[in-house]
Amino acid sequence: DAGITQSPRHKVTETGTPVTLRCHQTENHRYMYWYRQDPGHGLRLIHYSYGVKDTDKGEVSDGYSVSRSKTEDFLLTLESATSSQTSVYFCAISDLGASGTDTQYFGPGTRLTVL
Amino acid sequence: AQRVTQPEKLLSVFKGAPVELKCNYSYSGSPELFWYVQYSRQRLQLLLRHISRESIKGFTADLNKGETSFHLKKPFAQEEDSAMYYCALIGAGGTSYGKLTFGQGTILTVHP
Repeated sequence: DAGITQSPRHKVTETGTPVTLRCHQTENHRYMYWYRQDPGHGLRLIHYSYGVKDTDKGEVSDGYSVSRSKTEDFLLTLESATSSQTSVYFCAISDLGASGTDTQYFGPGTRLTVL
Repeated sequence: AQRVTQPEKLLSVFKGAPVELKCNYSYSGSPELFWYVQYSRQRLQLLLRHISRESIKGFTADLNKGETSFHLKKPFAQEEDSAMYYCALIGAGGTSYGKLTFGQGTILTVHP
């Protein structure tokens, strides 16, 4: 497995509370991504980062914010968790080649339940 | 907008039978297509990508631009192929930043 860890691996929280998920990499890859996995929807991109302090929105960014203050860490924050944010969250990293595309390597996932 | 469609949520076959997981895409340019696999209790991982034109674990996939399809095939399924399979697309161009668009996924079960 590529050097990607996610913390926590499991979390149960209540509606309205803030939650921060952490993705940590040891591969020095420039690009990092947060996806959520839901039945019937596959994986959907929430936010991504193309460098330190450089982030942008993905397909389902409402209710989420991110920060990347250093290459190895990419944080996903739910400012006020809602039940619709119950999901499995995956972090991924990549280092784009000359073609602009490359393999993404995924973390183990974080299972978040919002009650 | 780019989209990836996997029409089958579930697919069951018997060991030794051929298997085909369907993937159709919509994209106005020339995309790069991937198949990712998630085995039970393991991470999502790349199975193959169309530009590599390689066979991984006996699986192949051919990009058909006319039919906008990238179906995954294996002539003789094995029990260890049971997993969730995702088809994914990256749009070409420098501004894509490698962002993947995934299909809904197909759960393949290979029975003994």
